[in-house]
Amino acid sequence: EIVMTQSPATLSLSPGERASLSCRASQTVPFNLAWYQQRPGQAPRLLIYGVSTRATGIPSRFSGSGSGTEFTLTISNLQSEDFAVYYCQQYNDWPPYTFGQGTRLEIK
Amino acid sequence: EVHLLESGGDVVQPGGSLRLSCAASGFTFTSFALTWVRQAPGKGLEWVSVISASGEKSWSADSVQGRFIISRDNSNSTLYLQMNNLRADDTAVYFCAKASERRTVAVPLDSWGQGTLVTVSS
Repeated sequence: EIVMTQSPATLSLSPGERASLSCRASQTVPFNLAWYQQRPGQAPRLLIYGVSTRATGIPSRFSGSGSGTEFTLTISNLQSEDFAVYYCQQYNDWPPYTFGQGTRLEIK
Repeated sequence: EVHLLESGGDVVQPGGSLRLSCAASGFTFTSFALTWVRQAPGKGLEWVSVISASGEKSWSADSVQGRFIISRDNSNSTLYLQMNNLRADDTAVYFCAKASERRTVAVPLDSWGQGTLVTVSS
């Protein structure tokens, strides 16, 4: 089973700043990596798939990068609605499809 | 617009059973794999089970293997999760989610329901 490790656990930033969230896989997942956003009380929402492709309707301030085992989600010019929990997920080696433990992005 | 609506969550005693349903609309149901993902209170996401578009193949996490059965009714656009021998650590919100591409299971999940809460407690 591939273990996904996200860091930091919590990130405190102010609106307008840039956030960088990391995700590391215990084995290579080439480009089969997705990011999801979950706001309080809501279902997860697909943000990024294939490492760097934005899902339908996702603003351009969200971008993904990386390959192999190291991946980053970058959110530029943070908006109030961006403060949420973010999960990475690998879908290269399955079952199981594994998620990271999440990074909470909070307002500083 | 894709719409997924889970139901069936309840409070159940350890060792009990429950069947969750997920009614789908807004897409060609028979073309997409479907997945159950759960989230324990205050915790992260855990993949539970996936079923192929045709319903012929399914896979489940080790934590539920032999206890949970995923199935689908393609004539009624409904996904199911039969949960048997429930344990306290099965307590979670259960989400159903749709594959982002047709006729494959190894893809991200692009639409999610709002979830249904299962509580296992005596």
